[in-house]
Amino acid sequence: EAQVTQNPRYLITVTGKKLTVTCSQNMNHEYMSWYRQDPGLGLRQIYYSMNVEVTDKGDVPEGYKVSRKEKRNFPLILESPSPNQTSLYFCASSQQGNEQFFGPGTRLTVL
Amino acid sequence: SQQGEEDPQALSIQEGENATMNCSYKTSINNLQWYRQNSGRGLVHLILIRSNEREKHSGRLRVTLDTSKKSSSLLITASRAADTASYFCATDGTGNQFYFGTGTSLTVIP
Repeated sequence: EAQVTQNPRYLITVTGKKLTVTCSQNMNHEYMSWYRQDPGLGLRQIYYSMNVEVTDKGDVPEGYKVSRKEKRNFPLILESPSPNQTSLYFCASSQQGNEQFFGPGTRLTVL
Repeated sequence: SQQGEEDPQALSIQEGENATMNCSYKTSINNLQWYRQNSGRGLVHLILIRSNEREKHSGRLRVTLDTSKKSSSLLITASRAADTASYFCATDGTGNQFYFGTGTSLTVIP
């Protein structure tokens, strides 16, 4: 089944404790992206990747890192999480210029 | 921010009625997409319209695009209770970034 998977689905952590949210897709898509969703603000793009070893900042990259060492994986790294990074995070993938397939979301709470 | 906006923010209709929601955006685009999200879940792609298209249909969905006004509309005909969800438009801007609107929350009352 074609899908985008994210782990973990739920995470509660404390300020400053490094964490990684994994994202994997099995559709051989070149384009992958991370978004955060906050009430009243819709989805905002954090980082995106056009292909392996190519990553670019989106609208809200501060406090986040990503890597794209393999085509199928695009982990999101929070080196020192802060409470304002409490949000619902989505990973997505697509063939460039086409529809994006979204993962189920990761609900992160930073205390 | 280049984020788009949907209008209205919330819409409540009776089952069987049509629902229309609008999207305005700020930059030139290659394409515009509409997505649906059930509460707290991942987004599901509904329809994509390219910048050189003016109208597109998919089942009960009809999308229009006016690039001169930088706006799009999504019409859902003969709505059903199962259409209750949030609807977002997304544009690809002038690069490879995506910009989502703030969403329209649709409630269809049985």
